[in-house]
Amino acid sequence: DAGVIQSPRHEVTEMGQEVTLRCKPISGHDYLFWYRQTMMRGLELLIYFNNNVPIDDSGMPEDRFSAKMPNASFSTLKIQPSEPRDSAVYFCASSTGTGNYGYTFGSGTRLTVV
Amino acid sequence: AQSVTQPDIHITVSEGASLELRCNYSYGATPYLFWYVQSPGQGLQLLLKYFSGDTLVQGIKGFEAEFKRSQSSFNLRKPSVHWSDAAEYFCAVAASGGSYIPTFGRGTSLIVHP
Repeated sequence: DAGVIQSPRHEVTEMGQEVTLRCKPISGHDYLFWYRQTMMRGLELLIYFNNNVPIDDSGMPEDRFSAKMPNASFSTLKIQPSEPRDSAVYFCASSTGTGNYGYTFGSGTRLTVV
Repeated sequence: AQSVTQPDIHITVSEGASLELRCNYSYGATPYLFWYVQSPGQGLQLLLKYFSGDTLVQGIKGFEAEFKRSQSSFNLRKPSVHWSDAAEYFCAVAASGGSYIPTFGRGTSLIVHP
């Protein structure tokens, strides 16, 4: 298994531009999570999906952020318009469940907004 | 609400020395507990988890953790540290108050001296 695949690994964009981050979860995993990691706030859950349906998006910081999961093998996190304070590492993770189930994380996308 | 505290931001040990990383959680009942490791530029990898039974849990890479209900702790240990263990370590707690979605600690950075 190739694990959770995220693209791109690095993204540098100018303030105001649209940014799209992509994630391919592990086949058979019903849950997909988007996290953001910063020095100031640590690892924050942004949104998670179960069977392609968004369950909890209370961690999405603003309306500028949106996430979709059109099918079981693909999800996107979009920021429009981007701002410098969005600079962070964004992780996607997948799992077969919650509770006692561990997560498999992707390698992350390092986003820099200048 | 669930919360987790990792009191040590940095820990420095010599190669071959023993290691203990501290983790304290806040939750009324016994939650699910996890330790993850993050190497530079990588996503988080699950080391071990606990949900019931034997309070001493064995994980990958020679790590173990002990759940102590009386102290609300789940400390990670390794008898002999290798230089390759240098990384960021995250404790996480999942409980019913958080819909069984893990809350992560701020992490402890392990530095290994030769």
